[in-house]
Amino acid sequence: DIVMTQSPDSLAVSLGERATINCKSSQSVLNSSNNKNYLAWYQQKPGQPPKLLIFWASTRESGVPDRFSGSGSATDFTLTISSLQAEDVAVYYCQQYFGLPLTFGGGTKVEIK
Amino acid sequence: EVQLEESGGGLVKPGESLRLSCAASGFTFSNAWMTWVRQAPGKGLEWVGHVRSNGGTTDYAAPVKGRFTISRNDSINTLYLQMNSLKTEDTAIYYCTRYSAGFDPWGQGTLVTVSS
Repeated sequence: DIVMTQSPDSLAVSLGERATINCKSSQSVLNSSNNKNYLAWYQQKPGQPPKLLIFWASTRESGVPDRFSGSGSATDFTLTISSLQAEDVAVYYCQQYFGLPLTFGGGTKVEIK
Repeated sequence: EVQLEESGGGLVKPGESLRLSCAASGFTFSNAWMTWVRQAPGKGLEWVGHVRSNGGTTDYAAPVKGRFTISRNDSINTLYLQMNSLKTEDTAIYYCTRYSAGFDPWGQGTLVTVSS
């Protein structure tokens, strides 16, 4: 199984400041035949289902604000919120869809400092 | 509008069975790979399994393999999760979601509680 490890478990950021979440996979999720990283990011607010933010490691889902960006390749990935807004308080998960079983990171809770 | 709506959750005893349903609308259901993901209370997300389009091949997570069965009825745009021999550790919110590059959209989820 591909193990997804997120860090930190939680972080508190001031409004308008940058938030950075890391995700590391136990093996590469880069498909060399199409040069795509099979990595997605989700946002989950309390009492709500997860929402897809980013797929292919860096492609923003339609309607997602451009303050959210994804980067990285192979085994190391980052979700960045460039200027934290109050509505961004949530738990964020990374997920690989390179191989079965599909696996998620443990989540990172983002709060306002 | 693309929508998914789960139903069928409830309280059951260990060893009992339950069937969840997920009604889909707003997209071509028969072309979609459909997935169940669960979330235990206060915990993270866990992939349960999925059913592919065009023939319905299934894949399952190890903790549910042999106990859970995912199926679909493309004529009524509905996904199912048959859960047998339920254990207390199966207690979770069960979400259905469409699988493409990532999971999107998600239903609101249905709560399954397994307790004696």
